[in-house]
Amino acid sequence: DTGVSQDPRHKITKRGQNVTFRCDPISEHNRLYWYRQTLGQGPEFLTYFQNEAQLEKSRLLSNRFSAERPKGSFSTLEIQRTEQGDSAMYLCASSQGHMNTEAFFGQGTRLTVV
Amino acid sequence: SQQGEEDPQALSIQEGENATMNCSYKTSINNLQWYRQNSGRGLVHLILIRSNEREKHSGRLRVTLDTSKKSSSLLITASRAADTASYFCATDRTGGGNKLTFGTGTQLKVEL
Repeated sequence: DTGVSQDPRHKITKRGQNVTFRCDPISEHNRLYWYRQTLGQGPEFLTYFQNEAQLEKSRLLSNRFSAERPKGSFSTLEIQRTEQGDSAMYLCASSQGHMNTEAFFGQGTRLTVV
Repeated sequence: SQQGEEDPQALSIQEGENATMNCSYKTSINNLQWYRQNSGRGLVHLILIRSNEREKHSGRLRVTLDTSKKSSSLLITASRAADTASYFCATDRTGGGNKLTFGTGTQLKVEL
């Protein structure tokens, strides 16, 4: 598989539960990005990593959101104490990190909080 | 926050016609990228145009960039029903670490 892989594709959870999503980037890509997309909108940047270093997390929506990339390969995005407003598509992308290189997206994880 | 605005928000054409979508943005950029998204799916990268380029082609796609007007256009020629999707422009801002800022998208419907 040469693309960005996300797991799970769909997640339904009850309000107040914690959820964790996984992203496996394209293997030679050192940059990994998380985005959130709500219905009818374009993706909104959340955070990104250069290898294992998290370079920006100010756009994470609240302190309930956290992301890791412990070995510079796969990444996880965790949402604690989910709320109905967290329902959205969570997208992961990766790139080589050089200027003017494309970012490739995974299929996303659709979260529904009930 | 959304940087770009796509115009129109929705476009419906007949198969074989050309479709043109426009994108405006606000800040200086390294490049601008266009993506396609089928309903409920991930984004597929279509084309990247650098800030020092004015036009780029890829198959049936033609992208223009006018940095003085902070605008771009995507032309799909000889459209097909399979082109039905949402199309987004995304800007890689100067000094932005390659993270992308997306517009609101154009929903294209190509009818048989």
